[in-house]
Amino acid sequence: QSALTQPASVSGSPGQSITISCTGTSSDIGDYNYVSWHQQHPGKAPKLMIYDVSNRPSGVSNRFSGSKSGNTASLTISGLQTEDEAHYYCSSYRHSDTWVFGGGTKLTVL
Amino acid sequence: QVQLQESGPGLVKVSETLSLTCTVSGGSINNYYWSWIRQPPGKGLEWIGNFYYNEATNYNPSLKNRITMEVDTSKNQFSLKLTSVTGADTAVYYCARGKNFEFWGRGILVPVSS
Repeated sequence: QSALTQPASVSGSPGQSITISCTGTSSDIGDYNYVSWHQQHPGKAPKLMIYDVSNRPSGVSNRFSGSKSGNTASLTISGLQTEDEAHYYCSSYRHSDTWVFGGGTKLTVL
Repeated sequence: QVQLQESGPGLVKVSETLSLTCTVSGGSINNYYWSWIRQPPGKGLEWIGNFYYNEATNYNPSLKNRITMEVDTSKNQFSLKLTSVTGADTAVYYCARGKNFEFWGRGILVPVSS
């Protein structure tokens, strides 16, 4: 089962905005709106940041936003803060009742 | 607030069966999707499988032949069995709730030794 494609790393300075892409196919991201994004700090469990493409769970900062175009979903973090430095993973529902994750992106806040 | 807790052996030998349990507290298991997800050391997340109460289980096609997931509603627990393990199955194993994995357990590291 092939993973969704994410850049291995992105970086930005405090206060800047960054965008992480997540590319799938017409069998997952392109055909369903069940895309979510998770933040993972070292040694910790992942934390849901965005669900159903663009919705934020209660308690997640509005600096985090999500979108989708075609087979590619995106996570944008505005007003970067040092605590945003972490790994970010996208996930999507895929046809035939399966789910798939992206390979993960390491965000460095310079 | 729902909480999930993974439990199981601290070590499994090559070719044996890995068995884990996820205990759910603060909410009923009788709704939502419930998943197993794993993460090899230094690597990304891999969805293993899930189920929705009273419906069929769904498995990652690449692991399907080795996986069994079961639920015990009387204990508010669900379990994972992975047979014929190899070193490639060494990972932190997480249980999670929901289609979007909105709640996660803390994870349990399961090394596979020869």
